[in-house]
Amino acid sequence: DVKVTQSSRYLVKRTGEKVFLECVQDMDHENMFWYRQDPGLGLRLIYFSYDVKMKEKGDIPEGYSVSREKKERFSLILESASTNQTSMYLCASSQGQASHEKLFFGSGTQLSVL
Amino acid sequence: AQSVTQLGSHVSVSEGALVLLRCNYSSSVPPYLFWYVQYPNQGLQLLLKYTTGATLVKGINGFEAEFKKSETSFHLTKPSAHMSDAAEYFCAVSEGQAGTALIFGKGTTLSVSS
Repeated sequence: DVKVTQSSRYLVKRTGEKVFLECVQDMDHENMFWYRQDPGLGLRLIYFSYDVKMKEKGDIPEGYSVSREKKERFSLILESASTNQTSMYLCASSQGQASHEKLFFGSGTQLSVL
Repeated sequence: AQSVTQLGSHVSVSEGALVLLRCNYSSSVPPYLFWYVQYPNQGLQLLLKYTTGATLVKGINGFEAEFKKSETSFHLTKPSAHMSDAAEYFCAVSEGQAGTALIFGKGTTLSVSS
């Protein structure tokens, strides 16, 4: 069974902390994505990667960075966490180069920044 | 730039009634269109997608959607609602090209009453 695993289900951090959100997929997928989900705003794309060491900005990249050193792992980094980054973070992956392939989602990480 | 508009953040129906969730898109190229569903406390999963070919697409759990280019719409329907259909539904659009990503709408919460 295909799997996208996010390292933490719940995370509580303080403002100014550096935060790492980890995502691992076991499907040998080329593409990986980070979205944040907020009530009334739906899913908004932060960053995505279509190959190892490649990254593309999404719609709301400010305050975030990413790392993809290995094909199966895609990390989201909050350099200096702020309260407006409190949100549900969803990682997803898909196979192939085209963006019309099915996304497989992780269960999400609920991040609270105090 | 592509975008998605879901009309109605909340839709309430009675069990057995028709479900209609509206989605309109904007895309500069022929779009790929998707509906994803998120059941309470679960990750997102694909309901159905339109890529090319037949404009009426059937998905899981009795849902279907019709791509109407002239109306730039991809509305989701189900003839008879079931209590288990209560969830949040997201419409999404993609240009399908390598190096692009799925853009989601803000979501519609479906409530089903007995």
